[in-house]
Amino acid sequence: EAAVTQSPRSKVAVTGGKVTLSCHQTNNHDYMYWYRQDTGHGLRLIHYSYVADSTEKGDIPDGYKASRPSQENFSLILELASLSQTAVYFCASSDSAETLYFGSGTRLTVL
Amino acid sequence: AQSVDQPDAHVTLSEGASLELRCSYSYSAAPYLFWYVQYPGQSLQFLLKYITGDTVVKGTKGFEAEFRKSNSSFNLKKSPAHWSDSAKYFCALASSGSWQLIFGSGTQLTVMP
Repeated sequence: EAAVTQSPRSKVAVTGGKVTLSCHQTNNHDYMYWYRQDTGHGLRLIHYSYVADSTEKGDIPDGYKASRPSQENFSLILELASLSQTAVYFCASSDSAETLYFGSGTRLTVL
Repeated sequence: AQSVDQPDAHVTLSEGASLELRCSYSYSAAPYLFWYVQYPGQSLQFLLKYITGDTVVKGTKGFEAEFRKSNSSFNLKKSPAHWSDSAKYFCALASSGSWQLIFGSGTQLTVMP
């Protein structure tokens, strides 16, 4: 079964520290996405990629970097974590704009 | 600008009743519309989509949605509702040719047994 796997499942980071969230997909999809979900809100797109070695900015890219070293892997990097980046982060993949397959999420707490 | 509005943050109903979750969108061209569901502690799962064609689309778990261009809506329906339908439901929009989904803020549905 096709899958999107995120690691870690949860993380506590200190303000100003570097955080890397990883995502691996076995769907053979070209498109991958990073979303954040804040309590009581919907999902907002941070970065996305439609091919390896290329990333694009989404709606809220400030404070985040992304890396797509291969079709299967897509990372989200917080160089200087801040309190406002406490959220649940979801990775997703798709073979078109039509249907996204989501990972189980990473709960990030920045103290 | 594109946007999705889910005006009801919370909906509570009794098992066996009919449910309808509202979604409206703003987009000047032909939209692609989606519903996703998030069960407690889980990730989002695809329910159904409207791309073109029949305005009533059927999805998984007995859900269906009706696309109404006249009032820019894409409401989710199910009858009867079951307690296991309790979850958060998200409506989403993609513009044709785009790879980006814009999500609404979600509706928390509680079905009382």
